[in-house]
Amino acid sequence: RKEVEQDPGPFNVPEGATVAFNCTYSNSASQSFFWYRQDCRKEPKLLMSVYSSGNEDGRFTAQLNRASQYISLLIRDSKLSDSATYLCVVNGDSSNTGKLIFGQGTTLQVKP
Amino acid sequence: EAQVTQNPRYLITVTGKKLTVTCSQNMNHEYMSWYRQDPGLGLRQIYYSMNVEVTDKGDVPEGYKVSRKEKRNFPLILESPSPNQTSLYFCASSLAGIGNEKLFFGSGTQLSVL
Repeated sequence: RKEVEQDPGPFNVPEGATVAFNCTYSNSASQSFFWYRQDCRKEPKLLMSVYSSGNEDGRFTAQLNRASQYISLLIRDSKLSDSATYLCVVNGDSSNTGKLIFGQGTTLQVKP
Repeated sequence: EAQVTQNPRYLITVTGKKLTVTCSQNMNHEYMSWYRQDPGLGLRQIYYSMNVEVTDKGDVPEGYKVSRKEKRNFPLILESPSPNQTSLYFCASSLAGIGNEKLFFGSGTQLSVL
C-alpha cells in the first residue's frame, strides 16, 4: 500500500461544478497535511494547509479525518483556471522533521 | 524577490558523467529538500536538510549526494548518473522544518541521462 494515495483522475467537470478529491495516508502518526497545486510540469505551489478542525479559503475547503486517515479538498464553483493537478502532502512521521510524502496527484480539467 | 533558484533548467548528459544541479534560496530558510518527479509516481523526496551541515535521506537517496555547507545553497550531486535517474527534479525550501509551513519550490530541472 502506498503511504499517500490519490485517485489520479482525470476529473472532467463543467465550469461552476463542485468537485471533491480525497487522499488517504497510511501513517497514523502523521501530523501535518497540505494540498499543493501543480500546473503542467511546473513547480508545485501551496494551495492550503489542512487543519484538524477543517479550514476554508474562498472556494476551497479542506478537511481532515484522522479516524479514517484521509484528507479531502472541495472546490466550489469551479473555474477554468482551476484546471491543474492537486497534490496531497503528508509529513512522514510523528515529529516535526523534514520527511514529506507526496501523493501522485489528482488531475482536474474544468471545461467551459 | 523571494525565490528558490535551480540551475540548469534542462540538462542532457551521458551515463557515468558526474553532474551537479545547484539550488539556492534567498529567504534565509533553514529547511531545504530535493525531489524527483516521475509519471505515475508523483514527487519523491531524495534528501533534505534541516540546517547547515545537517542532511538526511528521503525515500529515494540511492545514487545521489547532497551537501549543505552554507544556508542558502543545497546542491544535488550525481556522481555517476544512470538512465533511471532521468527525471524532473525540484528543490524546495521552507523557513524551519515542516509544521504547517509553506514550501517554496524552484522551477525544476529536467534531466535526461543517455
